[in-house]
Amino acid sequence: DIVMTQTPLSSPVTLGQPASISCRSTQSLVHSDGNSYLSWLQQRPGQPPRLLIYKISNRFSGVPDRFSGSGAGTDFTLKISRVEAEDVGVYYCMQATQFPHTFGQGTKLEIK
Amino acid sequence: QEQLVESGGGVVQPGRSLRLSCAASGFSFSSFGMHWVRQAPGKGLEWVAVIWYDESNKNYADSVKGRFTISRDNSRNTLYLQMNSLRDEDSAVYYCARDLRGSYGFWGQGTLVTVSS
Repeated sequence: DIVMTQTPLSSPVTLGQPASISCRSTQSLVHSDGNSYLSWLQQRPGQPPRLLIYKISNRFSGVPDRFSGSGAGTDFTLKISRVEAEDVGVYYCMQATQFPHTFGQGTKLEIK
Repeated sequence: QEQLVESGGGVVQPGRSLRLSCAASGFSFSSFGMHWVRQAPGKGLEWVAVIWYDESNKNYADSVKGRFTISRDNSRNTLYLQMNSLRDEDSAVYYCARDLRGSYGFWGQGTLVTVSS
């Protein structure tokens, strides 16, 4: 199984400041079709997860442009350019390149 | 508007069975693969199973293989998860999610399953 490791596990951020979360996989996420199926999900308190970014860097419909994804191979990053109060929650990276699909442990974003 | 609504959760004794349902609306259900993902209380996300849009393929996490069965009824726009031989460690909120470009584009609100004697 591909193991996804996120850092940090907790991230206190000041409103208006940037935030960054890293995700590393134990194997390359490049699929035989050439795509890398690395996604980022946000889970606000008491809510189901919500898709933010798919295939490394594609923002899902309705996701603010302050969210961006980057990376390749085994190393990926989610960046929030200016954190807003509504961004509080847990962020997960996940891979869907290979079964079983696997998730990172989650990174809790909180406001300082 | 796309919507997924799970049902069927509850409290069940170890060793017993439960069937979860996920009713889909607002999109062409029969065109998309569907997943079940679970989240134990206070824990992270765990993928459980997937079914192709036409039921041609199914895949399961090792933790549920041989005990859980994913199925769908495209005429009823409904996804199912038959859970047998339930264990304490199966206690979780179970979400259904729609496949989207190699990710999970839409999620239901989840249904809570508690396995306890």
